[in-house]
Amino acid sequence: DAKTTQPPSMDCAEGRAANLPCNHSTISGNEYVYWYRQIHSQGPQYIIHGLKNNETNEMASLIITEDRKSSTLILPHATLRDTAVYYCIVRVATYGSGNTGKLIFGQGTTLQVKP
Amino acid sequence: NAGVTQTPKFRVLKTGQSMTLLCAQDMNHEYMYWYRQDPGMGLRLIHYSVGEGTTAKGEVPDGYNVSRLKKQNFLLGLESAAPSQTSVYFCASSYPGGTANEQYFGPGTRLTVT
Repeated sequence: DAKTTQPPSMDCAEGRAANLPCNHSTISGNEYVYWYRQIHSQGPQYIIHGLKNNETNEMASLIITEDRKSSTLILPHATLRDTAVYYCIVRVATYGSGNTGKLIFGQGTTLQVKP
Repeated sequence: NAGVTQTPKFRVLKTGQSMTLLCAQDMNHEYMYWYRQDPGMGLRLIHYSVGEGTTAKGEVPDGYNVSRLKKQNFLLGLESAAPSQTSVYFCASSYPGGTANEQYFGPGTRLTVT
């Protein structure tokens, strides 16, 4: 699985958009970008994933560059409850052929949303 | 649905004692995982299972054993606890379908070994 690089910490004002970057320059063609977050020592929570197109769900948007070497997670209107550690993970999506769906976590980005 | 539950939530052990952590899921997921998280670090995979009766080693398996006798349960055992095993342990499960392969995590077990 490709390695990812994230800034260790970021601040964001409440109500503003939070843009969390991730570099994954060694990503392979069949690897997806996944984002999870962990709020104050709770179990991690899935946010969103994508291959090459931009994706949006009720929680966030994911923007992947055309060369797929980097991506940005966008929380459009950050709230205090979005304060968490955000993990960017790259791996093959499909199971089988030795892929067991396991996640390799880095140290993530600690996002602090301030009032 | 309760999702993924873990028992116990907290435990203090003395060096050399043994214990078993229980993970249960009610989502009929095939895959289950045990991770540990040390302070200020991301999660690291200990062992995982791709189905009932099967287990495999992850990144940091030494000092741990696991069993998956029933599809809904995944047990993590520490035969002889060491202070280095002081950590927060998370269990997760997933269903091998689609591209999300979303893992659902339990609330964690906080273990201290003195």
